[in-house]
Amino acid sequence: EPEVTQTPSHQVTQMGQEVILRCVPISNHLYFYWYRQILGQKVEFLVSFYNNEISEKSEIFDDQFSVERPDGSNFTLKIRSTKLEDSAMYFCASRETGSSYEQYFGPGTRLTVT
Amino acid sequence: AQSVTQPDIHITVSEGASLELRCNYSYGATPYLFWYVQSPGQGLQLLLKYFSGDTLVQGIKGFEAEFKRSQSSFNLRKPSVHWSDAAEYFCAVGPLNTGFQKLVFGTGTRLLVSP
Repeated sequence: EPEVTQTPSHQVTQMGQEVILRCVPISNHLYFYWYRQILGQKVEFLVSFYNNEISEKSEIFDDQFSVERPDGSNFTLKIRSTKLEDSAMYFCASRETGSSYEQYFGPGTRLTVT
Repeated sequence: AQSVTQPDIHITVSEGASLELRCNYSYGATPYLFWYVQSPGQGLQLLLKYFSGDTLVQGIKGFEAEFKRSQSSFNLRKPSVHWSDAAEYFCAVGPLNTGFQKLVFGTGTRLLVSP
């Protein structure tokens, strides 16, 4: 069964450093998403991406964040200058077109900012 | 603003007993409704969904959920819990006014299964 994959599974970085989280969505999906989950809190929407552009973003998704689909398979989330409060689990999700509206989630990348 | 409430942070159920996890949403119209499960160290797995039609929906792993419009609820149920069901359960809504269907999640309910 096709699945969303994410790399790395865990990333440790120092405050102020740039990180890139990578995702490979399911191959025939066209809508892509990033969510995050701070430890002990709920899953929060960050951004959605369709047709090579951001379709919606949350207040969390400020200028420090960017997304990109650099090729036909990868979908990346970049944090330009990480802060301690960026420490969280980041989930990528994708869905196909049509009326299913089911989002399929990857296993997540745990980001730890020290 | 759209919101999802899961009033129970933790629930402990004996193995073999029935389970009901509560979810209420606040939104002007009926959104799309989902239940996801997150096992330790794992991603989010879709258990079931409701878009329209029959208000009782069946999902994977023997779970079902009932949509009640009058109560703005979408409670998850299972008649007999197995130890492997211990996990965190998230209710989520996909507001209809967002064409790209971002999901708004509840805070989750952690299910513990006792022997």
